[in-house]
Amino acid sequence: QPVLTQPPSASASLGASVTLTCTLSSGYKYYKVDWYQQRPGKGPRFVMRVGPGGYVGSKGDGIPDRFSVLGSGLNRSLIIKNIQEEDESDYHCGADHGSGSDFVVVFGGGTYLTVL
Amino acid sequence: QVQLQESGPGLVKPSETLSLTCTVSGGSISPNYWSWIRQSPGKGLEWIGYVYFSGSTSYNPSLQSRVTISLLTSKNQLSLRLTSVTASDTAVYYCARGGLAAQFDPWGQGTLVIVSS
Repeated sequence: QPVLTQPPSASASLGASVTLTCTLSSGYKYYKVDWYQQRPGKGPRFVMRVGPGGYVGSKGDGIPDRFSVLGSGLNRSLIIKNIQEEDESDYHCGADHGSGSDFVVVFGGGTYLTVL
Repeated sequence: QVQLQESGPGLVKPSETLSLTCTVSGGSISPNYWSWIRQSPGKGLEWIGYVYFSGSTSYNPSLQSRVTISLLTSKNQLSLRLTSVTASDTAVYYCARGGLAAQFDPWGQGTLVIVSS
C-alpha cells in the first residue's frame, strides 16, 4: 500500500499563495489523492481529488476557486491563492488502495497551515 | 444536504467495547458507502472501515479482528463496535459518506472517546 508524506507545517502571509505537497511512495505514481481541510476543532471537509494528470471530479461544497491542485510524478499538490484567515487549517491527503479484502485507505500525517 | 451526527459514550474502560452510532439526515443510506475514521490526539487520520448499503464491509487490517461496522437502515444509522479497547484507542471518531473509490464527503463533527479506568 502507498505511504503518503506531508510536511507537518507550512506558513504563508495573508493574500499570498502557498503550495502544500503530498508525496506518494515509490511505485504509486498513477494513484489519485483526496485533499481534506480541517479547521481547528472541526471535522474534515473534502476539498478535491487530484490524479497524475491533475484535477479529478468535482470540488467539495463551498470550496472557493482560490483552491486548485496539481499532479506531477509522485507529488499531489494543493495550491491556495490569495490566502485568507479562514484558510488556517490542517490539510490532510488520503488515498485508497486495493479491492475486496485487501482494500485500505491511507492518510498522510497532515500539514498545518498558519496564516501570518 | 446530507448531514451526519455521531453519538455514544465519551468514556470507555480498558478491555471493554466501544460502541458508537452515526445518524444520517437529509438523505438516504442507499446507495452509498459509509465509513468510520478516527484521529488520535495530535495525530493524523486513520480509516477504520466501511459498510456498503447492501451490508458488505471492509476493515483496516490493523483493526480487523476487533471491529464491526453495521447499518440500521430503518433508522438511517450506521454503527461502530470496537472490542477490547486500550488507551491507544482514545481518539475523535468520525463517520463519513464514502469508501471504495469514493472520497469522504461529508463528515460528521466527530465524537471524542477516551479510554480510561
